[in-house]
Amino acid sequence: DSGVTQTPKHLITATGQRVTLRCSPRSGDLSVYWYQQSLDQGLQFLIQYYNGEERAKGNILERFSAQQFPDLHSELNLSSLELGDSALYFCASSESGTSGRSTQYFGPGTRLTVL
Amino acid sequence: DAKTTQPPSMDCAEGRAANLPCNHSTISGNEYVYWYRQIHSQGPQYIIHGLKNNETNEMASLIITEDRKSSTLILPHATLRDTAVYYCIVRSLNTGTASKLTFGTGTRLQVTL
Repeated sequence: DSGVTQTPKHLITATGQRVTLRCSPRSGDLSVYWYQQSLDQGLQFLIQYYNGEERAKGNILERFSAQQFPDLHSELNLSSLELGDSALYFCASSESGTSGRSTQYFGPGTRLTVL
Repeated sequence: DAKTTQPPSMDCAEGRAANLPCNHSTISGNEYVYWYRQIHSQGPQYIIHGLKNNETNEMASLIITEDRKSSTLILPHATLRDTAVYYCIVRSLNTGTASKLTFGTGTRLQVTL
């Protein structure tokens, strides 16, 4: 158990809908990262937040957004869903936001299926 | 971050040591080598990391060559539960740079009876 929690575990929805994925980081970690894993793209970095502020962006679509709240939990919002958004979404957390010394620990993921 | 090259798949008999190689010939002096693994569709699990010295923890050992251009992850006594995809990742330790992880395709390790 990494200490990172994600809800829900599974999510099934229809095209055009909007969903929210939630992540609670390990105690004491200030940084949260979101990754997407689809069959054809592998694990891809989406976005990072550090202590409530956006720190880095990866290949995140404009239909996707995220935020980190004062209690440090984070939400990833996916809107106007398409079939291709079906994937595993992982959250990771680390103590620091900028140093490569800071190990990232991953949650169990949310499996999103868009029908 | 430096690119890594790993064999796509390897087999190992249960109880034997699994030695997973990684080539990172373009690594720079301020980059760490990290290893993660992913069992089926679970979240990636951190294993070990190192800069230039060999490292060991309760899960594995990491051997980094003197020129730092390659490394080997060693699982000393592989079990069926070690069957997973293993990712070798190089990360800059500079502050101020994005600390995202860039995953390649990894090595699929199959441990057999």
